[in-house]
Amino acid sequence: KNQVEQSPQSLIILEGKNCTLQCNYTVSPFSNLRWYKQDTGRGPVSLTIMTFSENTKSNGRYTATLDADTKQSSLHITASQLSDSASYICVVYSSASKIIFGSGTRLSIRP
Amino acid sequence: GAGVSQSPRYKVAKRGQDVALRCDPISGHVSLFWYQQALGQGPEFLTYFQNEAQLDKSGLPSDRFFAERPEGSVSTLKIQRTQQEDSAVYLCASSPELAGGATGELFFGEGSRLTVL
Repeated sequence: KNQVEQSPQSLIILEGKNCTLQCNYTVSPFSNLRWYKQDTGRGPVSLTIMTFSENTKSNGRYTATLDADTKQSSLHITASQLSDSASYICVVYSSASKIIFGSGTRLSIRP
Repeated sequence: GAGVSQSPRYKVAKRGQDVALRCDPISGHVSLFWYQQALGQGPEFLTYFQNEAQLDKSGLPSDRFFAERPEGSVSTLKIQRTQQEDSAVYLCASSPELAGGATGELFFGEGSRLTVL
């Protein structure tokens, strides 16, 4: 069964600290993986895309990794800011035209 | 418009009422998706349109749910005889690519929050 599991479910950190969010998937066949950020009351917005051949990709303070062998991805946030408070959703695209969403990690940044 | 527009943003319905939720995608986007998002959960797929054709409706939870996109642009999600378990945020997303395309970025609207009393 195609599944995307994220951990932790929720996370609270102090402003300025770093954190890492995890995503494990069992989707097959695999096309690519995206991390989306969803602010409260808003729709998700894409942060980064990882294709099968990519291991690491950065977008400002966000760095995503992908290990296609173990089917794991992570999103690392550096020097967190209050505006980083949001849900982060891992989304895996299957070559079979299926898009599978994880349940998200709810991140809260405290001043 | 500049982005995906959804209306109404908030809808309160009495149990048994019919509701219609509208999605205006980014102009020229061929793919349109509807998702249902419960509180604290990720979006759950409902249905997918490629232009005016509804290619996948496997996620619609019951025959009370109906979606259309008659001219390949604006889409409407209709829920008949609403029940309390229909309470959720309904997200619409569009994409310039066919489902499963090379990059597949989805552009989401802000959602319609439905509360059924």
